[in-house]
Amino acid sequence: SQQGEEDPQALSIQEGENATMNCSYKTSINNLQWYRQNSGRGLVHLILIRSNEREKHSGRLRVTLDTSKKSSSLLITASRAADTASYFCATALGSNDYKLSFGAGTTVTVRA
Amino acid sequence: DTGVSQNPRHKITKRGQNVTFRCDPISEHNRLYWYRQTLGQGPEFLTYFQNEAQLEKSRLLSDRFSAERPKGSFSTLEIQRTEQGDSAMYLCASSLDRMPQHFGDGTRLSIL
Repeated sequence: SQQGEEDPQALSIQEGENATMNCSYKTSINNLQWYRQNSGRGLVHLILIRSNEREKHSGRLRVTLDTSKKSSSLLITASRAADTASYFCATALGSNDYKLSFGAGTTVTVRA
Repeated sequence: DTGVSQNPRHKITKRGQNVTFRCDPISEHNRLYWYRQTLGQGPEFLTYFQNEAQLEKSRLLSDRFSAERPKGSFSTLEIQRTEQGDSAMYLCASSLDRMPQHFGDGTRLSIL
């Protein structure tokens, strides 16, 4: 079974706007990762946040982690058409750091 | 291109046939993973290799599935006696120890 669930399932925004998506998970984690997948392609790693971190930035990406609520959010600022993709959160369970559990993803469409 | 390479990109076969996919990981990566992704879902973990040793197989991997990684380099995933339910995207990823996983563009399998 999959550990994470993303919300919303789909998001449509205008170029230049910010996009926010959320991820909830069920069990304790060591870290949480966000990946992007363009249509018909593999996943690209975006950012990893450890369980003892609350916020992390990478370029136009901002990720937060609230372990008390078992949730994370991904914010993409000043979106571009190239940000159109599906975004997945993934968690590694306990000592099984090799086994990633993905949610169903949020599909983001950025309109020009 | 020094990324993860998967071949073929697409495979169409009749039910009951055997198929084999190949994955060439990033050369210095010691870990290799196989995932399966169905439409609208996130990837699901299938199996994991540390060098040439297959250390875990998911319950999703029935006895019709076998994966190998001879000499700890490329890997193959074989599905015998394919069924309709095997239609999916099969993704390969590799990593150096606990570093984030790098994904290939996958092999899309369609069963007629």
